[in-house]
Amino acid sequence: SAVISQKPSRDICQRGTSLTIQCQVDSQVTMMFWYRQQPGQSLTLIATANQGSEATYESGFVIDKFPISRPNLTFSTLTVSNMSPEDSSIYLCSVEEGRGGYTFGSGTRLTVV
Amino acid sequence: EDQVTQSPEALRLQEGESSSLNCSYTVSGLRGLFWYRQDPGKGPEFLFTLYSAGEEKEKERLKATLTKKESFLHITAPKPEDSATYLCAVQNNFNKFYFGSGTKLNVKP
Repeated sequence: SAVISQKPSRDICQRGTSLTIQCQVDSQVTMMFWYRQQPGQSLTLIATANQGSEATYESGFVIDKFPISRPNLTFSTLTVSNMSPEDSSIYLCSVEEGRGGYTFGSGTRLTVV
Repeated sequence: EDQVTQSPEALRLQEGESSSLNCSYTVSGLRGLFWYRQDPGKGPEFLFTLYSAGEEKEKERLKATLTKKESFLHITAPKPEDSATYLCAVQNNFNKFYFGSGTKLNVKP
């Protein structure tokens, strides 16, 4: 199965600043997915990132707040912009596996103070 | 509206005490139902995909089953290392994913 390296693993940020999260996959994948997991809650899909095209955002998420880059088939970044304490969450990237499952990165635990 | 409900929210078992976790769903065309295990501070780890009612899959002490309305994750003779949060997710025919809030399992020695 694919191996995903996600950085940083955790960060504490000041409100109003931005953080960029990176995901590197050890194989080429068509689609990468970005999720948010708020404390004690389940995963919510933020957006789907295809290489060479604009990311597709889910309802409630906008590009200005969560810009995504997908420069090639093994790498993607998610930026959390102009952060507030409500953005404190775990952010996860994910890729689809051929066996019908999805592999997740280890997550980025973000705390906004 | 497509949604997933998992129960119980938390489950405490003694080592060797078998039990089942429930995942109830409503979906506009099921493309797949997924079970994941998530350890604290880590991303979800894929366990199973089920595609149609009546399907079953097994892995070590875990067995997942699927009906038209729900899925069960049966844990036989659990060990403390099975302690984790177990997540259920469905994918509909529009390729949208919906995750449940998980069942936090604690197996005591």
